[in-house]
Amino acid sequence: AQTVTQSQPEMSVQEAETVTLSCTYDTSESDYYLFWYKQPPSRQMILVIRQEAYKQQNATENRFSVNFQKAAKSFSLKISDSQLGDAAMYFCAYRSEGSNYQLIWGAGTKLIIKP
Amino acid sequence: EAGVAQSPRYKIIEKRQSVAFWCNPISGHATLYWYQQILGQGPKLLIQFQNNGVVDDSQLPKDRFSAERLKGVDSTLKIQPAKLEDSAVYLCASSSGNQPQHFGDGTRLSIL
Repeated sequence: AQTVTQSQPEMSVQEAETVTLSCTYDTSESDYYLFWYKQPPSRQMILVIRQEAYKQQNATENRFSVNFQKAAKSFSLKISDSQLGDAAMYFCAYRSEGSNYQLIWGAGTKLIIKP
Repeated sequence: EAGVAQSPRYKIIEKRQSVAFWCNPISGHATLYWYQQILGQGPKLLIQFQNNGVVDDSQLPKDRFSAERLKGVDSTLKIQPAKLEDSAVYLCASSSGNQPQHFGDGTRLSIL
């Protein structure tokens, strides 16, 4: 069975600096998707970025980018120029191809932004 | 487009009482998910619907939880009777095909 591990329960970063959140996963599949979701306090879970495993190029969305290392089964999220609004829980999630599209979730990393 | 709508946002009940949550997915999204999220943890899938059929309810505690999606659009999740350990945020999400899931604001349930 697939598993997702986020080894950092909490991270903090100074505003305007860069922070990297770690995520590793375990799978025997070759085709899958990986996601980072953001959940601000008492607010909606929103998709930050996604990566298809067959794509070698790392996904980017404005200040958010990933470092996808398929062989190492690693999927880290880099947030550049951190802003106060980035403070949230960040969840890494895995989805098999043809798994009824169900997500397997990590435990989350709480990101604190210091002004 | 309108997002996933959930109500109520907050609910406080005493143990052994019953409670119901409502979810209206994004228009056209055939797949609907209910999750339970305990504080400090990732979401746990309770049940997945494809249109009005159940795809997976293997983690739904069927002795007390029930869910339906009668017309393949909105859905209700019910707990009867509630236990203290049911205190959590209940998230509804929807998706279309292999596109990512979109989430509602959730319902925060507190059991006294």
